[in-house]
Amino acid sequence: GAVVSQHPSRVICKSGTSVKIECRSLDFQATTMFWYRQFPKQSLMLMATSNEGSKATYEQGVEKDKFLINHASLTLSTLTVTSAHPEDSSFYICSARDWTRENEKLFFGSGTQLSVL
Amino acid sequence: TQLLEQSPQFLSIQEGENLTVYCNSSSVFSSLQWYRQEPGEGPVLLVTVVTGGEVKKLKRLTFQFGDARKDSSLHITAAQPGDTGLYLCADVNMRFGAGTRLTVKP
Repeated sequence: GAVVSQHPSRVICKSGTSVKIECRSLDFQATTMFWYRQFPKQSLMLMATSNEGSKATYEQGVEKDKFLINHASLTLSTLTVTSAHPEDSSFYICSARDWTRENEKLFFGSGTQLSVL
Repeated sequence: TQLLEQSPQFLSIQEGENLTVYCNSSSVFSSLQWYRQEPGEGPVLLVTVVTGGEVKKLKRLTFQFGDARKDSSLHITAAQPGDTGLYLCADVNMRFGAGTRLTVKP
């Protein structure tokens, strides 16, 4: 099946630093990728929809200047958490849409656990 | 924005019992997906339902899509500890409900 690779799986950083998370579709071209945040024991909250070659569409309440999304190629989208603070600590998950498949069009990465000290 | 409501929020049962969880919306779904997520991992797609009244089966899991396409249910027969996880429904825009956290005790 299709594979989406997310890296790093875990990152610990100091408050005020920036962290970049990568999401790659390994065997298909993903024109659309999604970024989610998930707090402990809660559901996935959609942060933004990323379309290759254009600006991301952010959900209401998500700061686009804080969560920078770049989708410069059909196989790679990145999420940069700028000037991270402890309240940004969360599980971040990406997903990529494979339009060539009739079913199972959306595939998820394994997530990134961000801890900001 | 379509709001997805899932119930119950938590469910703890013994191995062998049956259970049903629900996903409802105030508006019509063009399609709906069910996922299962284990801690520290990304969600895994279980099924996509598209047609009102549709019923899909995946081994011991039965998914129903309401006739009006505003609700869906997931029924698990003879639950096993391996069914433990967070069950999520998502709409076509990839927004998720709050989920049902299922624990199946051996």
